[in-house]
Amino acid sequence: DAGITQSPRHKVTETGTPVTLRCHQTENHRYMYWYRQDPGHGLRLIHYSYGVKDTDKGEVSDGYSVSRSKTEDFLLTLESATSSQTSVYFCAINADRSDNYGYTFGSGTRLTVV
Amino acid sequence: GENVEQHPSTLSVQEGDSAVIKCTYSDSASNYFPWYKQELGKGPQLIIDIRSNVGEKKDQRIAVTLNKTAKHFSLHITETQPEDSAVYFCAASIRRDMRFGAGTRLTVKP
Repeated sequence: DAGITQSPRHKVTETGTPVTLRCHQTENHRYMYWYRQDPGHGLRLIHYSYGVKDTDKGEVSDGYSVSRSKTEDFLLTLESATSSQTSVYFCAINADRSDNYGYTFGSGTRLTVV
Repeated sequence: GENVEQHPSTLSVQEGDSAVIKCTYSDSASNYFPWYKQELGKGPQLIIDIRSNVGEKKDQRIAVTLNKTAKHFSLHITETQPEDSAVYFCAASIRRDMRFGAGTRLTVKP
């Protein structure tokens, strides 16, 4: 996935611990998104950002927070991980262009909360 | 908010046959309809999209049709090949507020 990387790729953590996932882009795109993917639910938006320090909630934001201090980095934090947050997390980016709303996705982070 | 339903959830076809995946959306204000292909262990990849002012779009073996009145859109893959096997997602959006369908797992049997 050119221009967008997620880290870590896999993580196992214990219930109640904080977890931070990182999304890094080299495209200088304005918009960044965090999605979670679960069987039967497709992709659901957690949080998104429309610029440095500008973020907003998606449809499944409870239990998650985000930060964007630089254009290239968008961090997703689970303050106190729960088993229901076991999922595959995808970051996506989108340029500020009215003729192209398509997303570019990262390769995902598989998070397991035990 | 927008609700997108996708059918079928699984689809198995013989190599060379056509495959059709259908989606419906609820918000008539949606104006952008992309389709993504996700291969195992990878992120979704945009394969084709259509805007609300267009009824059909083709790209080689892939085509998408949109019926705004009925609020449904479809992905058509002709002459399927084993490498078309993947999970396909439809989405509907108003500008960048995008909602995804639950996905269709397509299997192309050689």
